[in-house]
Amino acid sequence: NFMLTQPHSVSESPGKTVTISCTRSSGSIGSNYVQWYQQRPGSAPTIVIYKDKIRLSGVPDRFSGSVDSSSNSASLTISGLKTDDEADYYCQSYDSDTRGVFGGGTKVTVL
Amino acid sequence: QVQLQESGPGLVKPSETLSLTCTVSGGSISRYYWSWSRQPAGKGLEWLGRLYTSGRAIYNSSLESRVTMSVDASKNQLSLRLTSVTAADTAVYYCAREMFDSGWYYGMDLWGQGTTVTVSS
Repeated sequence: NFMLTQPHSVSESPGKTVTISCTRSSGSIGSNYVQWYQQRPGSAPTIVIYKDKIRLSGVPDRFSGSVDSSSNSASLTISGLKTDDEADYYCQSYDSDTRGVFGGGTKVTVL
Repeated sequence: QVQLQESGPGLVKPSETLSLTCTVSGGSISRYYWSWSRQPAGKGLEWLGRLYTSGRAIYNSSLESRVTMSVDASKNQLSLRLTSVTAADTAVYYCAREMFDSGWYYGMDLWGQGTTVTVSS
C-alpha cells in the first residue's frame, strides 16, 4: 500500500499564507480524490476540502486545495492566517481497493 | 441534522474483544456509507474500515484478521468489534459518514465525537 507524507509542522504569522504538502509514496496522486481535515485539540476531525479542491459549505475561501501530478502530491493552502486556524491538518485518500489512507498530520502554529 | 454518537466500554483487558456502537440519529442509516477510524493519543488518524448498509464491509488490511463491522438498520446503529486487543489498540475511536458519488469515495463529512478505549489489565 502507499503512504501519504506530510510535514510534521508548519508555522507562520497571522495574515500570512501556509501551504501543507501531502506526497503519495507510490501510485498516482490523481488516481483517487484527496481530502483535507482540520482537527483541533480534543475534537473530532472536520473535513475542509474534498475531491482535491472543493471546500465544504461554510469553510472560508482562505482554504484551498490542489493536486500536482509532477510532484505526486496534494497541497492545502491557508491564506490570511488567523489564530483560529491553529490545528492539526490531515490529508486522506484511497487505495485501488477503496481503502482509506490518512497522512501523518501537520501541526499548524500561528505565531 | 444527522448526528453520530459512539459508545462502549472505556476499558478492555488485553487479549479480549473491543466492542463499540455508533448510533446515528436525525436520519436514516440506509442512505449512506459508514466508516470507523481511530487515533492513539498524540498520534495520527488510522482508517479502520467501511461498512455498507447491505452488511458488506471492507477493512484496513493490517487489521483485517481481527476486525468486524456490522449494521443494525432497525436501531440505526453501527458496530465495531476488534478481537485480541493489545495496548497498541488504545485509542479514540470514531465513526463517520463517508461520501460516495458516481463510483468515487471522497472523504468523511460527518464524525462522531469519538470514544476513548484503553486496553489495560
